[in-house]
Order: sequence, then structure tokens, then C-alpha cells
Amino acid sequence: GAGVSQTPSNKVTEKGKYVELRCDPISGHTALYWYRQSLGQGPEFLIYFQGTGAADDSGLPNDRFFAVRPEGSVSTLKIQRTERGDSAVYLCASSLGTGETFFGQGTRLTVV
Amino acid sequence: AQRVTQPEKLLSVFKGAPVELKCNYSYSGSPELFWYVQYSRQRLQLLLRHISRESIKGFTADLNKGETSFHLKKPFAQEEDSAMYYCALSSGSARQLTFGSGTQLTVLP
Repeated sequence: GAGVSQTPSNKVTEKGKYVELRCDPISGHTALYWYRQSLGQGPEFLIYFQGTGAADDSGLPNDRFFAVRPEGSVSTLKIQRTERGDSAVYLCASSLGTGETFFGQGTRLTVV
Repeated sequence: AQRVTQPEKLLSVFKGAPVELKCNYSYSGSPELFWYVQYSRQRLQLLLRHISRESIKGFTADLNKGETSFHLKKPFAQEEDSAMYYCALSSGSARQLTFGSGTQLTVLP
């Protein structure tokens, strides 16, 4: 596709459940980022991949959050034992490194 | 640690009036600053970056290191400028972005 694609666009889950959010970056973009945007706030950095490796995961709030990018393209953000406070829009972004960062439409996660 | 502050959550101006969206930052290194815009039901997209020194859709922003500011300006606002605007700072080897909390601009007819 032409842009960063995220699926699903919306996800409702029950407290305590496990969820996976998928990101398909722009083809050829080696850098991939996950951000979380809570209501009324700007996006907050979670994790950065350069290729297949998580080069910086300093933004992950706790060990319930994990992300992978096994082949250096598609990435999955995984949240275990979801809590109501995890409800937010999760944004994925990709870039060539020094160029413009392109964002996906986001996945709106609601934990009930 | 870096921080970006946008003091106005909401800003309304009339069409044709000048508009200024404020952004202040704190960062110990040499900052790289951006303005991102999100139109209704669209994804976040880059509006401009300070190193480009260009005007996009009539908007300009000047980095003032003395005042640690990067305010966004447009001399004559248009209704299609109504959107959420985020100021952001790039830092670290990962070049991750630190965003402000955003300003919702409404341009009234």
C-alpha cells in the first residue's frame, strides 16, 4: 500500500485479555515506531525498531507491553492482561531514518 | 529530559485573521522541531520542519533558541486550516518524536 497500514482500526476487549495490534509500514522503511495517544494528549513514544531489532523500547510502560518485527517489515504490538488504563489510540509510524516520519491511521483500543 | 509545551488547547480565529499557535520546548541538545497536523478523520501528517525553512500552506515557523520557542504562524487563516496541530521535537539516536498536547484550531467563517 501507499501508506502505513494498521489493523484493526478499532478493538474492544475485556479487562485481563490479550490483544495484538498490527502495523504494516511503508515498503522499504527500515525505521518503525509505536506511539500511544490518550484522550486529549499528544502521541507518546513507546518503542522503535531499526530493521528487525528493537533499538529503543524505553517508552514501553511496563512488561505487559511487547512488540516484535521478525522480518524487518510488519510489526505487532502485544499487550497482555489489558487494563482499562490501556485504552488509547495506538499509532504506528515509519521512516527511512533521517527523512519524514509517516503515521498510520491508528488502532483505537478500548478495554472494558 | 525533553519536553514540548503547547499552552493553548483551543484556539478560534475568524477567516482572514492572523493566527499563531504557540510551542515552547526544553531540550539540552540541538533541537530538531516539527509541526504536525491532523485534519478531521485523517491521519497525523507532517506540516513543516524547522530545518527546511519553508512555508507550507502559508504557514511558517521560526526556531527561537533564546526563547526556546517554535511558534506556528499564518497571516491569513482559512477555514480549511481548522485542524489539530501538534508541535514535536526529535531526539536521540532513534529520532523518536516528543509531542506537545496539541492545539485545536477552529477558523470561523
